[in-house]
Amino acid sequence: DIQMTQSPSSLSASVGDRVTITCQASQDISNYLNWYQQKPGKAPKLLIYDASNLETGVPSRFSGSGSGTDFTFTISSLQPEDIATYYCQQYDNLPRVTFGQGTKLEIK
Amino acid sequence: QLQLQESGPGLVKPSETLSLTCTVSGGSISSSSYYWGWIRQPPGKGLEWIGSIYYSGSTYYNPSLKSRVTISVDTSKNQFSLKLSSVTAADTAVYYCARHPRRYDILTGYPRPVYYFDYWGQGTLVTVSS
Repeated sequence: DIQMTQSPSSLSASVGDRVTITCQASQDISNYLNWYQQKPGKAPKLLIYDASNLETGVPSRFSGSGSGTDFTFTISSLQPEDIATYYCQQYDNLPRVTFGQGTKLEIK
Repeated sequence: QLQLQESGPGLVKPSETLSLTCTVSGGSISSSSYYWGWIRQPPGKGLEWIGSIYYSGSTYYNPSLKSRVTISVDTSKNQFSLKLSSVTAADTAVYYCARHPRRYDILTGYPRPVYYFDYWGQGTLVTVSS
């Protein structure tokens, strides 16, 4: 199985800060990496697909980069409404679909 | 606006079969551009993909659950369903249905599912307990 290591598991930041979350795959997954935001009691919301593509309607302060095994998710200027848990998710053609452990983002 | 809605019993006894249905509205489950999947999340934990189906009936399952999972589709009702057999307390979770795209592989020219989930249902909690 492909293992996904997401870090940090929790993060505290101030409004306006630049926030970065990383996800590392145990083997090359090309650009098959997606990012989701989940607020308490709600379904996950797709933010970034295929490593760097911004889903329609998602604010441009969210971005993603990377390929192969190392990926980064960035919020350029943290807003109060961004408080949530963020998950990376990888897939391949077998198919194997796995999610990272999640990063809980809080306001400092 | 596409909407997905899960329905089914909220309580299932150990060793029995969990059955859920996802009703799709605002769009056709028979679209050639999408697959339909199930994902679950135990309380306070992370997300796990269960499996997916195309309107033709082609299915893809998580290898770790494959022996217990059946996903089916009813295009006349615009619904797809999940059955998970021999449940235990470890199967207690919020179950989500979701949509993900189908696209043509540049290298092979064949269509294949791509696993990013762009529309989700609100989720339904299923508790396994006697």
